[in-house]
Amino acid sequence: QLHLQESGPGLVKPTETLLLTCTVSGASLTSPNHDWVWIRQSPGRGLEWIGNIYNGGTTTYNRSLRSRVTISIDTSKNHFALRLTSVTAADTAVYYCARTIMLRSINYYGVAVWGQGTTVTVSS
Amino acid sequence: DIILTQSPLSLAVSPGEPASISCRPSQSLLHRNGHNYLDWYLQKPGQPPQLLIYLASNRASGVPDRFSGSGSGTFFTLKISRVEPEDVGVYYCMQALQSPWTFGQGTKLEI
Repeated sequence: QLHLQESGPGLVKPTETLLLTCTVSGASLTSPNHDWVWIRQSPGRGLEWIGNIYNGGTTTYNRSLRSRVTISIDTSKNHFALRLTSVTAADTAVYYCARTIMLRSINYYGVAVWGQGTTVTVSS
Repeated sequence: DIILTQSPLSLAVSPGEPASISCRPSQSLLHRNGHNYLDWYLQKPGQPPQLLIYLASNRASGVPDRFSGSGSGTFFTLKISRVEPEDVGVYYCMQALQSPWTFGQGTKLEI
């Protein structure tokens, strides 16, 4: 049974860097055709896709965040991470990690597994 | 970016009655492989979204068959044949055809 668990600071100061991790149990981060995803949700912006990492390190990001975001994988800890620099109040949100199965240009199976989410507040 | 417009934004349905939600993308979600890259999710209070339908019409594992998805291109519909009390929450459509993946604004279902 695949389980995802987000962790990170609940409070970050403006201009600082946010680092969140998603610990994966029940699957390998190098499984073929698995995309590991970050999505966030805020009252003002709704659900917002941040980016995916797949094939052990290939990434795709929302261009609205691309200059500030990095998603990486640490197979030794079986987790993947989100790094968001120069945060502002607009980055206050619940952050979810998730998994989808994507056979690029062939098939796709939806974002079927989600973590419970972690709340991040950006405030001084 | 592809904009997804849901309607209605809220609806109240009596148990046992049907419900329908539409999602209109600003451009076609039909991939050259013949699949429409449109999902439906339900977010219950205090929980993450849960996948109901993927590729417009495929029910996810464990989803009751009272939920069905249809549509192609630029118009999609989620139907609940007989609403149950546990179906309360906010329903979202999401497109995964083109980066950035985007979500609709959500439809709140109340009993």
